[in-house]
Amino acid sequence: NAGVMQNPRHLVRRRGQEARLRCSPMKGHSHVYWYRQLPEEGLKFMVYLQKENIIDESGMPKERFSAEFPKEGPSILRIQQVVRGDSAAYFCASSPAGRGNGNSPLHFGNGTRLTVT
Amino acid sequence: AQSVTQLGSHVSVSEGALVLLRCNYSSSVPPYLFWYVQYPNQGLQLLLKYTTGATLVKGINGFEAEFKKSETSFHLTKPSAHMSDAAEYFCAVSDPNTGGFKTIFGAGTRLFVKA
Repeated sequence: NAGVMQNPRHLVRRRGQEARLRCSPMKGHSHVYWYRQLPEEGLKFMVYLQKENIIDESGMPKERFSAEFPKEGPSILRIQQVVRGDSAAYFCASSPAGRGNGNSPLHFGNGTRLTVT
Repeated sequence: AQSVTQLGSHVSVSEGALVLLRCNYSSSVPPYLFWYVQYPNQGLQLLLKYTTGATLVKGINGFEAEFKKSETSFHLTKPSAHMSDAAEYFCAVSDPNTGGFKTIFGAGTRLFVKA
């Protein structure tokens, strides 16, 4: 399967624990985007990364949330000290596009559904 | 800043009827526009996109959308609804001049198809 792979599909955490969500982009894609989806609210942009660089994190909460996309391995979205309000579906998308070449749409994974109890 | 407004969070049509899902956008530059579909427990799949050129774009599953700059709209239509079209649909906009493909999504419209 050459698509965007996210794992785990479902993640349950107690309040105060850490959540780690992983995303492997499509082969050949060097751009990764994380979105959060809450019921009836659509997808909210969180962060855009290229290999080893955070390009745009304007949608990321200032505290407890971090993201990385290392030279080797998947992109990781990390949520520390989770609270009930963090419960949502988190989607990763990837694209091959570079600057000035916005003709490639996003390719989405199937998401990680985080439940905080 | 770019934004997308989808009119109607829920739309219900009968099987065989016209599907019309409305989308208006705001952008300071000529945008790229998209419609995505999401089936339960899945990610989003691209239905169609407008970048440049012909303003009427055709997508998968018989859907099409027309870019109307004067109305800042990009409504999605399908002449005849099928039960399998029941899903959530997202209109999205991106700025082609920015690096990569940061995309802003509307809140979504859930389409119900009645037998």
